[in-house]
Amino acid sequence: LAKTTQPISMDSYEGQEVNITCSHNNIATNDYITWYQQFPSQGPRFIIQGYKTKVTNEVASLFIPADRKSSTLSLPRVSLSDTAVYYCLVDRYNAGNMLTFGGGTRLMVKP
Amino acid sequence: DAMVIQNPRYQVTQFGKPVTLSCSQTLNHNVMYWYQQKSSQAPKLLFHYYDKDFNNEADTPDNFQSRRPNTSFCFLDIRSPGLGDAAMYLCATSRPQGENTEAFFGQGTRLTVV
Repeated sequence: LAKTTQPISMDSYEGQEVNITCSHNNIATNDYITWYQQFPSQGPRFIIQGYKTKVTNEVASLFIPADRKSSTLSLPRVSLSDTAVYYCLVDRYNAGNMLTFGGGTRLMVKP
Repeated sequence: DAMVIQNPRYQVTQFGKPVTLSCSQTLNHNVMYWYQQKSSQAPKLLFHYYDKDFNNEADTPDNFQSRRPNTSFCFLDIRSPGLGDAAMYLCATSRPQGENTEAFFGQGTRLTVV
């Protein structure tokens, strides 16, 4: 499975847009990209998933360039409650359901 | 409304005393996962079930075992807990991986070994 690389931490201020980039150079044709959010002492929570181009939902947008070797999670106008760890996962269709987490990015939103 | 329920939320066990953590789901998902998460680290996959098919990660110690008696329930057994096994244990469920598949996680069980 493709290994992912993310920044260890990021700081932002309330109201700003935050972009977290994940590198997955070895992504394969059957791989798709999923992002999870985790608050302290809670289980991770699904944010968004995509295969290519752009995906948007009520929480975030996911940008995936044509070569799919990276992806960017975009959080519009963050608030203090968006302080969390964000994980980028690359998983393969029908690959035995691995759901393997990489290092994650610790986002700190300041007032 | 909780869809993946882990019990208990906090568990204290003695060094070497077997302990069982439980997970139940109301989603009727085929796949159930167990993760170990230590402080400031990412969740580490221990094993998962696809229906009754058990898949063990290569580096999961033999000290960790699992049972899935039916679709709804899954158990994590730690046969002889050591101090290094103190962690948050997370259970998750999903449909078989594919497009638009998301995993649902429980709140976790925080295990303390004394």
